[in-house]
Amino acid sequence: AQSVTQLDSQVPVFEEAPVELRCNYSSSVSVYLFWYVQYPNQGLQLLLKYLSGSTLVKGINGFEAEFNKSQTSFHLRKPSVHISDTAEYFCAVSVGITGGGNKLTFGTGTQLKVEL
Amino acid sequence: GAVVSQHPSWVICKSGTSVKIECRSLDFQATTMFWYRQFPKQSLMLMATSNEGSKATYEQGVEKDKFLINHASLTLSTLTVTSAHPEDSSFYICSARLRDRAGYNEQFFGPGTRLTVL
Repeated sequence: AQSVTQLDSQVPVFEEAPVELRCNYSSSVSVYLFWYVQYPNQGLQLLLKYLSGSTLVKGINGFEAEFNKSQTSFHLRKPSVHISDTAEYFCAVSVGITGGGNKLTFGTGTQLKVEL
Repeated sequence: GAVVSQHPSWVICKSGTSVKIECRSLDFQATTMFWYRQFPKQSLMLMATSNEGSKATYEQGVEKDKFLINHASLTLSTLTVTSAHPEDSSFYICSARLRDRAGYNEQFFGPGTRLTVL
């Protein structure tokens, strides 16, 4: 079975500063990796996904993530955050040939708080 | 495109009553939908996989008779929490699976339903 670890439950950062949200996974088979954002009392919105190919994935809102197979990591980064980026961020993994349409296993989430 | 809605967005009910939550794919057909549960400040836990025209597949530890799932059409799945108790209070989120042109399946999430059982 696969699992996802998000070591940081909260990450405070000042506006316009860079940020990295860490995600590590474990799986005995090839995986598909995702980052979702959740604003208060809302569902999840897909930020980006890694299916195959280039290990550097660019997503919406200026976010990007890099898949590192040797370190089993998929850290999310943004070079300059905005107040509106304040939200909960979830890393997720899926296995199987049909990617994210299969079961998703989520990490425990990281609360990003952007301060002025 | 690929919009998923949920109704109601929030509901408050008395202990012992049943509550039905609807999940609709508005602009696509979804043979498969998923139901998740999220406790405050915690992650999403998959409860069950809802398949159109067949029985739902429940995750280990989820009571089938407690959480009834019906996927009667390609655009609608319902979750009924039967004889609700305060411990069932949670945020319930559904997702619908869509296959894109490349053949890749992706899940699109609804906005969630906040259930409070008094």
